[in-house]
Formats: sequence, C-alpha cells, structure tokens
Amino acid sequence: QAQLVESGGGVVQPGRSLRLSCAASGFTFSSHVMDWVRQAPGKGLEWVAAVSYDGSKRYYIDSVEGRFTVSRDNSKGTLYLQMNSLRPEDTAVYYCAKGGMRFLDWSYMDVWGQGTTVTVSS
Amino acid sequence: AIQMTQSPSSLYASVGDRVTISCRASQGVRDDLGWYQQKPGKAPKLLIYAASILQGGVPSRFSGSGSGTYFTLTISSLQPEDFATYYCLQDYSYPFSFGQGTKVEIK
Repeated sequence: QAQLVESGGGVVQPGRSLRLSCAASGFTFSSHVMDWVRQAPGKGLEWVAAVSYDGSKRYYIDSVEGRFTVSRDNSKGTLYLQMNSLRPEDTAVYYCAKGGMRFLDWSYMDVWGQGTTVTVSS
Repeated sequence: AIQMTQSPSSLYASVGDRVTISCRASQGVRDDLGWYQQKPGKAPKLLIYAASILQGGVPSRFSGSGSGTYFTLTISSLQPEDFATYYCLQDYSYPFSFGQGTKVEIK
C-alpha cells in the first residue's frame, strides 16, 4: 500500500536553512501531485506547498513564497521541501501528502506521512 | 485566497449521538471539498472527498454533503474511536485552505 516517510526535521536557528525529504513507496509516484502541510504546536492544519506530478508547476502559500522551494525527483520517488530564511513562526510538524487523483495539478490528499518536526529557535 | 470557516470549533457529544459539522467557503469551490480526521499526535486521515464521496475503508456512518460555499460532515452514530478533530479542506484552487478545525469531545 502507499506509504510516505518524512525526514530532515530538527532544531535550527532563525535565518538558517533546512531541507525536508519525503520518501514514497507503494504507488506510482510520478503520476500524482504532492503536497506539504504543516501544523504549528497546538494549532490547526496549514497547507504549505504543492508540486505537480511532473514537477513543472509549483504552488505556495504566501507566507513561504520566496523562502521555500518544493521539488521532486521522480526517479527516486522522493519529494523535497527546501526551507531558507527560517522564522520562528515556521516551527511546526511538516507532513507530506499524496494527491488522490492521477495526472492532475491539484487534488485532495489521500495518503499522509507521519510528519517531521521543525523547530526554529535561537 | 479562499477562507474556510468551520463551526462549531468544538462540541461535546455522547456515544450514539448524531453529529453535524459545517464548513463555509468565502467563495464557491464547486464540490472540491474534503474532510479529514486527526487524532492527537497522528497524521490527518482522509474521510470524504469531492464533498460526498466516502474514502475507501471509512465507515458508512460518516457522510458529507454540500456544494458551492456550504458543506456538512455528519456522523450518524458517534463511536468511541470518532472522538478527534475534524478539518475541511478546499482543493478547488491554490493556495488550498483548511478550516480551523472542530474538536469532538466526550460529554
């Protein structure tokens, strides 16, 4: 069955960078849009970014535009989130999620990883 | 950006109760609306997509309805494992947006 495993979280100082990874298995990774969603401590879910199935289109929430870059390597079945100029308000659990429909640039999310925690603090 | 407003933000209910949660979009999203369940310390789980289609493996006591700007999630007979936080998500246009969540607690 489809599975997603995130890695790369940790504690980082404000202004520094971090790269998250999400390893996919059990489905045809190259056919599905992929998303990043985050959840700050004690808060609700916030959609962060998405990349189309072929990697040609990328979408971001305003608060991360220009600082974060979402990408994918379809040959490795891996999704990435490069996070630069990190701020304390970026502190959250970051989830990767798989789009439910094939060959669309947007879709509901039907499979989620377990999350990786990013803490931005001096 | 489309704003999603859920109500109530929390509710208390008993096992066997019928529970309804609503979600309103600031502009029309057709039927591109999903419902997700999240338990503490766990990843969200898709319950319903396209406003009313039950995801595989989800119990039939969950149902969704609505289109355009108003949607509801109904649990017909609340079970102990249903106590959780529920979120709506519009996947009609980017940036996607979640409702603020509804926490269902034991009365």
